[in-house]
This record gives sequence, structure tokens and C-alpha cells, in this order.
Amino acid sequence: AQSVTQLGSHVSVSEGALVLLRCNYSSSVPPYLFWYVQYPNQGLQLLLKYTTGATLVKGINGFEAEFKKSETSFHLTKPSAHMSDAAEYFCAVSDLGYSTLTFGKGTMLLVSP
Amino acid sequence: GAGVSQSPSNKVTEKGKDVELRCDPISGHTALYWYRQSLGQGLEFLIYFQGNSAPDKSGLPSDRFSAERTGGSVSTLTIQRTQQEDSAVYLCASSGDRGRGSPLHFGNGTRLTVT
Repeated sequence: AQSVTQLGSHVSVSEGALVLLRCNYSSSVPPYLFWYVQYPNQGLQLLLKYTTGATLVKGINGFEAEFKKSETSFHLTKPSAHMSDAAEYFCAVSDLGYSTLTFGKGTMLLVSP
Repeated sequence: GAGVSQSPSNKVTEKGKDVELRCDPISGHTALYWYRQSLGQGLEFLIYFQGNSAPDKSGLPSDRFSAERTGGSVSTLTIQRTQQEDSAVYLCASSGDRGRGSPLHFGNGTRLTVT
């Protein structure tokens, strides 16, 4: 079985500060990992994904994430937060043999001026 | 637009009534998913269609929930005898590839409120 844990339902940062959103997963086989972002009253939009190869993955809007197998983690970072980054972020995992994604419960990112 | 389209965007219904939620996937996408998003609960998988294969219904919470996909395109999620706990945002997504690394393209969802 696969599962995803996102630490912190809410994260608050100041504009210009580092953004760090945490994601840990459990999987019996090498996982495929995803980060999605959801703006108010919209569906989810893919930020980035890890499948194989380089463990540091760059996505849209300056976000990146690093797959660390030893820590079973896939944390999302951005060096400098912008007001427009305020949204809910979801980590997801796709396990071998599964055609569907399992999502974490989401982390709401709040950015203050 | 070429995105996933869901209708209605909002639906208010009385407890015990049936509702139908519609999803138009991106043209040519063979995979279609329904998820339910409840406050603080993240996204809960409901059902998955892939081409002409039998759907994966393992996420449907009860026999009051059903879904069909006609002609490999449009899908309808039906909830019979709605209950207050069915209140949530129902999200549809489609994907154009069988591979598990394929990203899902989501619609804006239908917000269902059961009174």
C-alpha cells in the first residue's frame, strides 16, 4: 500500500522568505512522486514530478523538490516566496502497479507581505 | 478551451435526492478519474476509467455512488439518496497516457452541498 504524509496543514512565510513544504511517503517499490498546486476555486495543477533519474526536480514558478530515498521524502522548496504562491499544495505518490495517485491531505501556504 | 470541463460548478440538493455530476475530459485522453475533496481530508480516490477496460471502482464509498463513461469520453458520477456527509468538492481528471508517470489534468470541480 502507498501513503503520503504532509507535515503541517498550514505553513506561513513572509514574502521573500524560503518556502519548505514537507512530504514523506511510504511505498514498497520505487515510487513516482508529484507535487500539485490548487488555487482557490480551481482544480489541481501539476508543479513537478519525479519518475527516475536526477533526484532534484525543477518545476514551474521556481519550485523544486528533491527525492531522498533514504528518508522517504520529497520536500518542496522555493528560495523566495511571492504573494502569488499562496495556495494549497498537495504531494502525491504513484506506486508500481497502481494506475491512480494517492494524495496527501495538503498544506496551505500563506504568504504575508 | 482544451481543459477538463465539469458541470455544474455548484450544486445544492436536499438530503435524499439524487444528483448527477458531469465531466468532459480533454479530447483524446483515455484515462479519467474521479476524486472527492473534503475539508481537511485531501483528495479521496473514487473511480478510474482507462479506455475500454473495466473501471476501477475500489474507491467508491458506498453503493449509492456510481459512475459511467460513455463512448470513452464524457463521464457522469451519480450519487443516489444523498446524505449530508456527501457534501464535498468532486474533482474529475484525465490523462493521456497509460504510464503511471503521466500527469493528471484536473477540472475545477463541482461543489456539492447537501442540506
